[in-house]
Amino acid sequence: SQQGEEDPQALSIQEGENATMNCSYKTSINNLQWYRQNSGRGLVHLILIRSNEREKHSGRLRVTLDTSKKSSSLLITASRAADTASYFCATVPRNYGGSQGNLIFGKGTKLSVKP
Amino acid sequence: EPEVTQTPSHQVTQMGQEVILRCVPISNHLYFYWYRQILGQKVEFLVSFYNNEISEKSEIFDDQFSVERPDGSNFTLKIRSTKLEDSAMYFCATPRPGQGGIWNNEQFFGPGTRLTVL
Repeated sequence: SQQGEEDPQALSIQEGENATMNCSYKTSINNLQWYRQNSGRGLVHLILIRSNEREKHSGRLRVTLDTSKKSSSLLITASRAADTASYFCATVPRNYGGSQGNLIFGKGTKLSVKP
Repeated sequence: EPEVTQTPSHQVTQMGQEVILRCVPISNHLYFYWYRQILGQKVEFLVSFYNNEISEKSEIFDDQFSVERPDGSNFTLKIRSTKLEDSAMYFCATPRPGQGGIWNNEQFFGPGTRLTVL
């Protein structure tokens, strides 16, 4: 089965700095998504990038996708204390073979932004 | 943003007991998913459910688990005889409706049910 791996596992930065998290995966995908999870809470979708896209922006978020290297990065610019959370990448396997759109998550990066 | 609700928020049970976790997904959705997250670990796919049938399940989803749609809106995940290792957060999710289909749209997650098996 496919497994996403994020690095770093934990990242601590000062408010105002940029945070970069990376994700790698193993099999062909339809798309890759990033989710955020505050401690003990549900997952909130941040951004989706399709397999034929290379870069996408949403507010302070920038996502890149390199399908040749099977990797993605999430950049949060001008970080704020409220960005403190765990960030997960999740892939949707390419839909031959009967995949029904279920997400395969990575282990996550725990981001701490200090005021 | 559309809401997915789950009840209860926290369930404590004794090993061997049956538990039923409930989810009310976005209105008129036919697709929904169950995931679990053991404390401190990654989110794992359990099962997808479409139009009153299981469409895909993971290796985790063994005979102890079942999903149902007991009425027009609620979906349930049942664990027949809970084990200590079933302690986790359980999330249900539905995909956002859109032209991309289930393979190209984000999923809306409920707040989760924390299951503690003693």
